[in-house]
Formats: sequence, structure tokens, C-alpha cells
Amino acid sequence: AQKITQTQPGMFVQEKEAVTLDCTYDTSDQSYGLFWYKQPSSGEMIFLIYQGSYDEQNATEGRYSLNFQKARKSANLVISASQLGDSAMYFCAMRENSNYQLIWGAGTKLIIKP
Amino acid sequence: DVKVTQSSRYLVKRTGEKVFLECVQDMDHENMFWYRQDPGLGLRLIYFSYDVKMKEKGDIPEGYSVSREKKERFSLILESASTNQTSMYLCASSWGGTSSGNTIYFGEGSWLTVV
Repeated sequence: AQKITQTQPGMFVQEKEAVTLDCTYDTSDQSYGLFWYKQPSSGEMIFLIYQGSYDEQNATEGRYSLNFQKARKSANLVISASQLGDSAMYFCAMRENSNYQLIWGAGTKLIIKP
Repeated sequence: DVKVTQSSRYLVKRTGEKVFLECVQDMDHENMFWYRQDPGLGLRLIYFSYDVKMKEKGDIPEGYSVSREKKERFSLILESASTNQTSMYLCASSWGGTSSGNTIYFGEGSWLTVV
């Protein structure tokens, strides 16, 4: 079964609009971490934001915020005031406790239109 | 800032050649990882290392080996490259242990083509 689901294969958004990228996850662990990464066409994988399962506040990093709804097992990434440079693939990932590995979603391709 | 550096961005190798992909991190991280990324298959873990000279197989270790002689350096080796190993390879590192909060930081990727 899919542990990380990103239901949007692609999105087009107008520049300066806010955008929400969906991510749902499945785990039986009580302790886990959720991560978002950005991958531009150049290939590097850039860490954006992290949310721990015990964190009560939603994580924020500049224009990025994570809408964490634990009961619904969702961890959506919100990008405020989108910019052309935000065009990239975005991956949601989860790290369960006592596990070295990250479990990856399939990614969402975001294209920002001028 | 964390810096993970992969020695080669683009390589073209012939079938049967031995290929070395080098990765260096400057954050004194204990854990290091090698992934490959293919369209439609996502990121798949090849090997990881949690300490010098220690290694663990990931999901797709066949056809690959690794070496970690120094803490900052983790090498991926293709003993005899094949065309199905044409892919993008990503190295990563993180602090030690298995805490779910240890962020994994990636290098820029190495695009390998085997002809």
C-alpha cells in the first residue's frame, strides 16, 4: 500500500497566487517526520520544510508552510505568493521512527505561469 | 549551510566499465545515502552507511557496491556498468541515528549515461 500519496501529478498556478500541494500519508508509528523537497529541472533535491508528528504548531519557513492535520494524516505544503522560480517537482516524504530511510511520494510538478 | 558535493554532474560510460561516483559532505554527518531516480519509479535507495566502514543494502543494491573509508566521503561503485544503470544518482547525508527528525540533505545529482 502507498505510504505517501501525492494526488496531483501536475499543477499550473498564476504567479503571485498561493498554491497548496497535497500529501497524505499512512503509518502506524506514533513518532515520524514529514518532509517536503523541491527538485528543479537541474536535478538537485532541495530540503524545504519539516514537520514532526509531535509538533503542535504547523511548520513555517519563509514562504513555505506545512498544513499538518494529524487526524486526517495529511501534510500539505502551502507556498504563498508564488514566483516563477518555484516551478519544479515537489516531493513529500516521511521518515518513520527507527528507520534510516525516507519514504517518498510520486511528486507534483508545479508550473508557475507569468 | 549543509553542503553535499557530488564529484561529477554528467558522465558517459561504456558498458562493462567500472564507474565511481564520489560524494563528500561537510557537516560531519554520520549517515550517508545513495539513491537513484528514474521517471515513473521515483527515488530508490541503493545503499546507506551509518558509520565509517559500515554499510547497509537499500531497496536496489544489485549491481552496485559502496565504500566509506572516511566519515565525509561515500562512494558508489558500478563494477561493470550496464545500460539499465543509466539514471540520475543522488547522494545524501544526515545526522546519525534513526530519529525521524533527522533531515536528509542531498547533493546536486549525477547524471550517468551508459552506452
